[in-house]
Amino acid sequence: AQSVAQPEDQVNVAEGNPLTVKCTYSVSGNPYLFWYVQYPNRGLQFLLKYITGDNLVKGSYGFEAEFNKSQTSFHLKKPSALVSDSALYFCAVRDTGGFKTIFGAGTRLFVKA
Amino acid sequence: DSGVTQTPKHLITATGQRVTLRCSPRSGDLSVYWYQQSLDQGLQFLIQYYNGEERAKGNILERFSAQQFPDLHSELNLSSLELGDSALYFCASSVGGGRSNEQYFGPGTRLTVT
Repeated sequence: AQSVAQPEDQVNVAEGNPLTVKCTYSVSGNPYLFWYVQYPNRGLQFLLKYITGDNLVKGSYGFEAEFNKSQTSFHLKKPSALVSDSALYFCAVRDTGGFKTIFGAGTRLFVKA
Repeated sequence: DSGVTQTPKHLITATGQRVTLRCSPRSGDLSVYWYQQSLDQGLQFLIQYYNGEERAKGNILERFSAQQFPDLHSELNLSSLELGDSALYFCASSVGGGRSNEQYFGPGTRLTVT
């Protein structure tokens, strides 16, 4: 079965420090991977995606993600965190056997000033 | 603002009742998705439509049904409601129906079943 895991419920980081939100996946075939962010009382917003090509993907708001096929990971990164980055982050994969979207449980990012 | 609209924002109803949630996709988007978000289940994919046709089905209960109309708006019907159906229901849309398309989410409908 295809799945996505976000091993950390919460990540705490100081403003100005680099941040990493982890995601690992399990799919058969080539993965289609996405990151979304959810602010309080809002819908999810698309950040970036990996379909094929360069393993380092750049997205919105200065975020980037690194696709690692051997480690089946797609970690979200940002060189310098902002307090306004505090939110709930979701990793997602599209089912390669069909069209289902499978989301991870989410990781809450807390950036302290 | 993603351009996806959902109505109503909040809905309070009793067990056993039936409700309809409505979604209008972004202009030009052909695909609509429905999700349920709850504290214990997380974000669960329910169903996807592409240009009026069902494209994928997820963890959607038999008491729930959906459709996408010719003008591309979609409705999610929830019947015989139970307390456990209380959740935030999101609609999302994308340009195409393929796996590489990112989705744009609406603000959600918060359903409370009492």
